[in-house]
Amino acid sequence: AQSVTQLDSQVPVFEEAPVELRCNYSSSVSVYLFWYVQYPNQGLQLLLKYLSGSTLVESINGFEAEFNKSQTSFHLRKPSVHISDTAEYFCAVSQSYNTDKLIFGTGTRLQVFP
Amino acid sequence: DAMVIQNPRYQVTQFGKPVTLSCSQTLNHNVMYWYQQKSSQAPKLLFHYYDKDFNNEADTPDNFQSRRPNTSFCFLDIRSPGLGDAAMYLCATSRERTGSGEQYFGPGTRLTVT
Repeated sequence: AQSVTQLDSQVPVFEEAPVELRCNYSSSVSVYLFWYVQYPNQGLQLLLKYLSGSTLVESINGFEAEFNKSQTSFHLRKPSVHISDTAEYFCAVSQSYNTDKLIFGTGTRLQVFP
Repeated sequence: DAMVIQNPRYQVTQFGKPVTLSCSQTLNHNVMYWYQQKSSQAPKLLFHYYDKDFNNEADTPDNFQSRRPNTSFCFLDIRSPGLGDAAMYLCATSRERTGSGEQYFGPGTRLTVT
């Protein structure tokens, strides 16, 4: 069975500081990895995903995540956060064949302070 | 804009009184999902439709049912809501069931059981 662990339930940070949101997964088969973001009163939106190829993936708003197979991790990073990045971030995993079943972590609330 | 719409956004029902939550999509996607998200927990997949093919998760209670009368609409029926069914219910879609596809989420319906 697959599982996803997000160790930090809340991450407070000041604006323009760097941030890392941690995600670890366990799976006996190859997986695809995702980060979704949920802004207040909105649905989840895909932030970035790793399917294959380069282990470093980037989003259009400055976030990046690196797939580390040996450490079974997919941590999300941003070098300089903005107030508008305040949201809930969910890491998710799916099996890499014939299924769209996503297994989500419990989420990390990123709170950016001025 | 193509999107996933959930109605109502907030629903209050009484203990044991049947309730139906609605989801519609303008994306013309083949797959539609229902997730349950309780406070501070990960979204949990209840079931999904691949076209008209219904796929129930093994641990989804019998109290939860779903209908998909056409491509655009999907309903979640809770036959006899208990206090433990209070949660956010998220509807999502994806074009195909491949594991690599992005899921598009609606804003959710927050269900309160009194």
